[in-house]
Amino acid sequence: EAQVTQNPRYLITVTGKKLTVTCSQNMNHEYMSWYRQDPGLGLRQIYYSMNVEVTDKGDVPEGYKVSRKEKRNFPLILESPSPNQTSLYFCASRGPLRQARETQYFGPGTRLLVL
Amino acid sequence: GNSVTQMEGPVTLSEEAFLTINCTYTATGYPSLFWYVQYPGEGLQLLLKATKADDKGSNKGFEATYRKETTSFHLEKGSVQVSDSAVYFCALSKGNFNKFYFGSGTKLNVKP
Repeated sequence: EAQVTQNPRYLITVTGKKLTVTCSQNMNHEYMSWYRQDPGLGLRQIYYSMNVEVTDKGDVPEGYKVSRKEKRNFPLILESPSPNQTSLYFCASRGPLRQARETQYFGPGTRLLVL
Repeated sequence: GNSVTQMEGPVTLSEEAFLTINCTYTATGYPSLFWYVQYPGEGLQLLLKATKADDKGSNKGFEATYRKETTSFHLEKGSVQVSDSAVYFCALSKGNFNKFYFGSGTKLNVKP
């Protein structure tokens, strides 16, 4: 089954304690992206990656890091989480530009609470 | 800059009622426009899209027409069902589809 998976699904942590949210897709997609969803603000893009070792900032990259060492994985790293990073996070991927380029496939979400 | 504005929710309708969710956008150039749907506890799914002016996207009884003159992409459905209860997001992207801009989402509640 084609899917995007995220782990963990729920996470409670404390300010300053480094954490990583993993994202993996099994569709051999080149493009992957991270979003955060906050009430009244919709989804805002954090980072995206066009391919292995190629990443770029979205609209709200501050406080986040990403890496893309393998095509299937795109982890989101919070090196020193703060309470304003409490949010619902979604990973997404999409196929190559020549094939249904507009369609993103979303993971189930990771709910993060930073105390 | 690029942005999407959606009508505030929640929208509450009775089953078989007509649905309109308004979406307007600001963008330079010629964006592609999307509607995504998020069911409770799930990620977003693409509902429909339109890639150029006057295109009509449609899926599962939902429709939206890309109106460049009014910079709008309103979502409509003639007869909603309880199963349509979800949050609907309007979004835009341009060029190589690397950056996406989403509206704030509109929650739809359909009562039997």
